[in-house]
Amino acid sequence: KAGVTQTPRYLIKTRGQQVTLSCSPISGHRSVSWYQQTPGQGLQFLFEYFSETQRNKGNFPGRFSGRQFSNSRSEMNVSTLELGDSALYLCASSLGPGQGFVETQYFGPGTRLLVL
Amino acid sequence: QQQVKQSPQSLIVQKGGISIINCAYENTAFDYFPWYQQFPGKGPALLIAIRPDVSEKKEGRFTISFNKSAKQFSLHIMDSQPGDSATYFCAALTGGGNKLTFGTGTQLKVEL
Repeated sequence: KAGVTQTPRYLIKTRGQQVTLSCSPISGHRSVSWYQQTPGQGLQFLFEYFSETQRNKGNFPGRFSGRQFSNSRSEMNVSTLELGDSALYLCASSLGPGQGFVETQYFGPGTRLLVL
Repeated sequence: QQQVKQSPQSLIVQKGGISIINCAYENTAFDYFPWYQQFPGKGPALLIAIRPDVSEKKEGRFTISFNKSAKQFSLHIMDSQPGDSATYFCAALTGGGNKLTFGTGTQLKVEL
């Protein structure tokens, strides 16, 4: 079974631009979560989607948004990019609620975003 | 506000030795504590996890020790191998969602 796929793997943008990152979950997984990883702040939860609905949200400004499609694929968008948005953006997928106490999350390789 | 504190930041262990990484949490609502391993260029991968109703869980060379009253948990890697060299993250989760709160990470290097 193929793992979590994220595209693109690397991206360079300039301040003020916007960016869209894509995540394809493991086949059969219906929940997708996004995390930001930086050397200074570590791994931080952005948001989670299940059945095209946002189920959880982290403490990030409204410039960060996401959505999920009917095939469970997800996108996240960052508008008006700032230098501090440079990070590795990780996507994780899981089966979804009702599959046990905890949904094991499987991470993709990430998209490395550099904002100049 | 850092809800999961992890130490040490880096660790060097000789091959065959024991690697120990410690974490402490503040939020008593956390009820699931996983450890993740991350290699350069890869996303984190689940290594082992524990719920607070048990004090220890062992899987192969990896053991989690959990102290609910102290709100602390640790990862022990027995017989450490060079292939274990990676960054390790502890994390915590409350049931009913996927909002993982991560520790700051420990960069482990196992030397020959």
